Amino acid sequence: SYVLTQPPSVSVAPGQTARITCGGNNIGSKSVHWYQQKPGQAPVLVVYDDSDRPSGIPERFSGSNSGNTATLTISRVEAGDEADYYCQVWDSSSDHLVVFGGGTKLTVL
Amino acid sequence: QVQLQESGPGLVKPSQTLSLTCTVSGGSISSGDYYWSWIRQPPGKGLEWIGYIYYSGSTYYNPSLKSRVTISVDTSKNQFSLKLSSVTAADTAVYYCARVLVGANPVTGWGQGTLVTVSS
Repeated sequence: SYVLTQPPSVSVAPGQTARITCGGNNIGSKSVHWYQQKPGQAPVLVVYDDSDRPSGIPERFSGSNSGNTATLTISRVEAGDEADYYCQVWDSSSDHLVVFGGGTKLTVL
Repeated sequence: QVQLQESGPGLVKPSQTLSLTCTVSGGSISSGDYYWSWIRQPPGKGLEWIGYIYYSGSTYYNPSLKSRVTISVDTSKNQFSLKLSSVTAADTAVYYCARVLVGANPVTGWGQGTLVTVSS
């Protein structure tokens, strides 16, 4: 089965840039979606199709995807960005399986 | 705006069957535009996709759970349901129902989630 690998944690000071990676075999050939989840809440989509933002998501959130790594970039990080972030792809080689990364805890110092 | 709401027992005994229902409001489950999904999250852990159903009844399950999972749809009630058999403590989790636009698309609608604890 297809595996997505995320770092367990990323720490960044307010105002700086956070980069959260999602590794997978030839992930650049897939569409990657990113979710933000705060404690006690359902996940919220922040980036879809590698780099598009849903309505209402700040421009500070951006994404890229190439080779074996996709990256979620959060610019000018704010305290309210502290959350868990998950990447997700569809793995059509596994009977339409939806795959999530293990998640990354973003801590704002 | 479409809303999803999970319902079902919050406590299930080991070896029994977990049963949850998701009620969809504000839109028709028969529209054909979405996969209706179940996703779970054990306490303190990450998200795990369980499976999804199309309004026609076609289903796709996570291979790791496939032998124990059944997802069904009731278009007359605008609901879809999850049954997970032979549960153990490892099945304790927040269970979310969700919708995914047909295609390799993201999850765009989530229920609030319901905690199901497996314990005697």
